[in-house]
Amino acid sequence: KQEVTQIPAALSVPEGENLVLNCSFTDSAIYNLQWFRQDPGKGLTSLLLIQSSQREQTSGRLNASLDKSSGRSTLYIAASQPGDSATYLCAAGSYGQNFVFGPGTRLSVLP
Amino acid sequence: SAVISQKPSRDICQRGTSLTIQCQVDSQVTMMFWYRQQPGQSLTLIATANQGSEATYESGFVIDKFPISRPNLTFSTLTVSNMSPEDSSIYLCSVELAGSLSSYNEQFFGPGTRLTVL
Repeated sequence: KQEVTQIPAALSVPEGENLVLNCSFTDSAIYNLQWFRQDPGKGLTSLLLIQSSQREQTSGRLNASLDKSSGRSTLYIAASQPGDSATYLCAAGSYGQNFVFGPGTRLSVLP
Repeated sequence: SAVISQKPSRDICQRGTSLTIQCQVDSQVTMMFWYRQQPGQSLTLIATANQGSEATYESGFVIDKFPISRPNLTFSTLTVSNMSPEDSSIYLCSVELAGSLSSYNEQFFGPGTRLTVL
C-alpha cells in the first residue's frame, strides 16, 4: 500500500529566497505525481502534474522533479513571495489504488 | 481542466442533524471522489462516487453515515448523517480527468465545504 510523506512539516523563509519542498513515496509503481496548493480553509489548487515517464515539470517560478527509483519528488519555488504562503501537498497516483496524499508542508514567506 | 463547484461553502449544524453537500462539475466525468480533511490533517478519501451504481467506500466509512448519490456524470451529493462534533471538517469533492495523450489522470478539486458541528 502506497504511503506518502513530506518534509519539512512547516517552513518559514524570508521573501526572495529559493526553497525546496520534499515528497517521498514508498511504492515506485506510480503513474503520476501531483503537487497541490491549499490556502487555509479552502480547496486544493493543482500546481503541477508529473507523469511517470517525465523527470520534471515547470510552471512559472515552480519546478517539480520526479525520481521514481528513489521514490522522491521535489517542488522548487524560486524567488518566494508572501503570496506563496500556503500548505503544499503532494499526491501519488498508483496503479490499482486511489490517489494517496502526503500530510503537507505549511509554508510561510515573510515580507 | 475541470471547474468544480460545491454548495454550501460552509455551514454550522447542530448535533444529530444531517447535511447534504452538492458537487457540480462543468463536464462529464467518470470518476468523482469525496474527501474529508479534519483540522490540521491531510486528505482522507471517504468514497468513490460511481454513476449508475453504489458508491465504493474506504475502510472506516459506511453508507449509513455518508450516503452518496451520483445521478449523472456531472453531479454528486454527499450527506453527513446524524452529525457529531467529530464530523467537523472540510469536505471536498474531486474529479479525475484522463490526459489527452495517455491514461495518466489528473485530479481537480472543488473549493470545499467547511462544516462545523456544535
